[in-house]
Amino acid sequence: DAKTTQPPSMDCAEGRAANLPCNHSTISGNEYVYWYRQIHSQGPQYIIHGLKNNETNEMASLIITEDRKSSTLILPHATLRDTAVYYCIVRYTPLVFGKGTRLSVIA
Amino acid sequence: AAGVIQSPRHLIKEKRETATLKCYPIPRHDTVYWYQQGPGQDPQFLISFYEKMQSDKGSIPDRFSAQQFSDYHSELNMSSLELGDSALYFCASSSTGWGGGEQYFGPGTRLTVT
Repeated sequence: DAKTTQPPSMDCAEGRAANLPCNHSTISGNEYVYWYRQIHSQGPQYIIHGLKNNETNEMASLIITEDRKSSTLILPHATLRDTAVYYCIVRYTPLVFGKGTRLSVIA
Repeated sequence: AAGVIQSPRHLIKEKRETATLKCYPIPRHDTVYWYQQGPGQDPQFLISFYEKMQSDKGSIPDRFSAQQFSDYHSELNMSSLELGDSALYFCASSSTGWGGGEQYFGPGTRLTVT
């Protein structure tokens, strides 16, 4: 299974873009990159996923490097409600949650 | 939009008792997953079912069993409860095929064993 590495914590000012990095240097060619988040004690929430191309939805954008060894989740205008633990996952069935990044959005 | 329903939301049991947690997936989702999240820990996969058959198994204790019924709801049965079983238990559902990695989680059942 591909392993992921994420910074344990990050701060972001409210209204600014939050850029959350993830390293997955051992990802295989057919593995997708998935991002989930968990707001305190709530069920994890699916955000976005991608294979090679950059992806965007109503929640976030996902930028995957050309060699697929890393990716960045971008929350374009972070709000206080985006404070959560963000998980980058490259094995999806079942989901294998690592330590994630605890994002704190500060007013 | 309909979400994953879990019941009960809170459950208090004593050691050595049994507990049954229920999960109702999103309509037309045919795969159900169970995860356990201990205090201060990340969610850990327990077991999953696709079309009523067990599809994958994680770190589920032998004291636990689960099944998926004809209406696709699932139940997690836990026997001989131990203090260490106190945790949040999440159920997630997904549809098969290309979108299978998108799992939608319920609000969880908080189990406290005393």
